[in-house]
Amino acid sequence: DTAVSQTPKYLVTQMGNDKSIKCEQNLGHDTMYWYKQDSKKFLKIMFSYNNKELIINETVPNRFSPKSPDKAHLNLHINSLELGDSAVYFCASELEGNSPLHFGNGTRLTVT
Amino acid sequence: KQEVTQIPAALSVPEGENLVLNCSFTDSAIYNLQWFRQDPGKGLTSLLLIQSSQREQTSGRLNASLDKSSGRSTLYIAASQPGDSATYLCALRDDKIIFGKGTRLHILP
Repeated sequence: DTAVSQTPKYLVTQMGNDKSIKCEQNLGHDTMYWYKQDSKKFLKIMFSYNNKELIINETVPNRFSPKSPDKAHLNLHINSLELGDSAVYFCASELEGNSPLHFGNGTRLTVT
Repeated sequence: KQEVTQIPAALSVPEGENLVLNCSFTDSAIYNLQWFRQDPGKGLTSLLLIQSSQREQTSGRLNASLDKSSGRSTLYIAASQPGDSATYLCALRDDKIIFGKGTRLHILP
């Protein structure tokens, strides 16, 4: 009964490939996020969706495209992967703006 | 532009001691502030959430305070245990959620 689940947990791929990371939450939350945690452990927001609508789109290359088929799912598709995309990607969700964030366990992406 | 700073970056403390982790921010116009812990290879676990109208929140051995006027929050951990070893991050919300870089805490048995 994991609250926020991401798949896969690990992803190793070569430069130039296209890959997707999936996220699902069973908490009934309205807002979902994608964060990137770099090698220095700094967490930076990438995207935010509320009820399937894009709310926040930080300065992220357009090779990254989020997709929210319904409010329980937020997937992240990455085209033409680059070495600098290697990081841990975290999905998170929250019920509303003043409620706690719930995180998934992360997807460690390694681009070779 | 809001900046969130956590000092020190790493801290080692003998078991049983009380300790304080610090989080400072530059713009006091925030909605709330949240403290998280992150264990190696894991996601973040929310510990305490303080709304902008509140001054502190407590959960078990943890107490978080918020002083918006001075741009500071502290996380107090009482009677530290080896299981408290983790990275602790603060995050504040203005129009989006901004994280500090965390403090790596190591409790020495």
